[in-house]
Amino acid sequence: EIVLTQSPGTLSLSPGERATLSCRASQSVDSSFLAWYQQKPGQAPRLVVYGASSRATGIPDRFSGSGSGTDFTLTITTLEPEDFAVYYCQHYGSSPVTFGGGTKVAIK
Amino acid sequence: QVQLQESGPGLVKPSETLSLTCTVSGASIRSYYWNWIRQPLGKGLEWIGYTHHSGGTYYNPSLKSRVTTSVDTSNNQFSLKLNSVTAADTAVYYCARWGETSGIKAFDMWGQGTMVTVSS
Repeated sequence: EIVLTQSPGTLSLSPGERATLSCRASQSVDSSFLAWYQQKPGQAPRLVVYGASSRATGIPDRFSGSGSGTDFTLTITTLEPEDFAVYYCQHYGSSPVTFGGGTKVAIK
Repeated sequence: QVQLQESGPGLVKPSETLSLTCTVSGASIRSYYWNWIRQPLGKGLEWIGYTHHSGGTYYNPSLKSRVTTSVDTSNNQFSLKLNSVTAADTAVYYCARWGETSGIKAFDMWGQGTMVTVSS
């Protein structure tokens, strides 16, 4: 089973700042199956990025995904108040679907 | 507009079977793979498994011995059964669509989630 490790656990930033979230896989993965989700309290997760770098419908261009192999990054260039949430990376491959433990982007 | 809605009992007794249904609107259940994902309160996401109208299923090995899923094409619904539940199965349960049919290799649509508590 592929293990996804997200860091940091919590990122404390102010609106307007840049957020960089990391997702590291325990072995090399197919980036076409690497996705990122945003989850706000009391809500279902929402797809943000799929295929490591493609934004989902309705996601603003301040969100961008990158990476390959074992290291992936979600970047939010200029944080807006509505971006403060928990973000999960996820992979589907020959092993079961796995999610990272999440990174909370908190208001500083 | 695609919508998914979970339904089922919010309270299940230990050792009994948890049963949930997800009703899909705005999309044909024949066209995608349909998934169940759960999240204990305050914790991360755990994929349970998927089901396809053809009868194909694939479950998380950690839950495989207790999970059954199925599709009801006539009602555009799919369902989850998890037997021999314990308190560790207490969680918010989500149904979600795997969007690969649309070119999106990810869970592109989610239900709002339903809280299931296992307690006597």
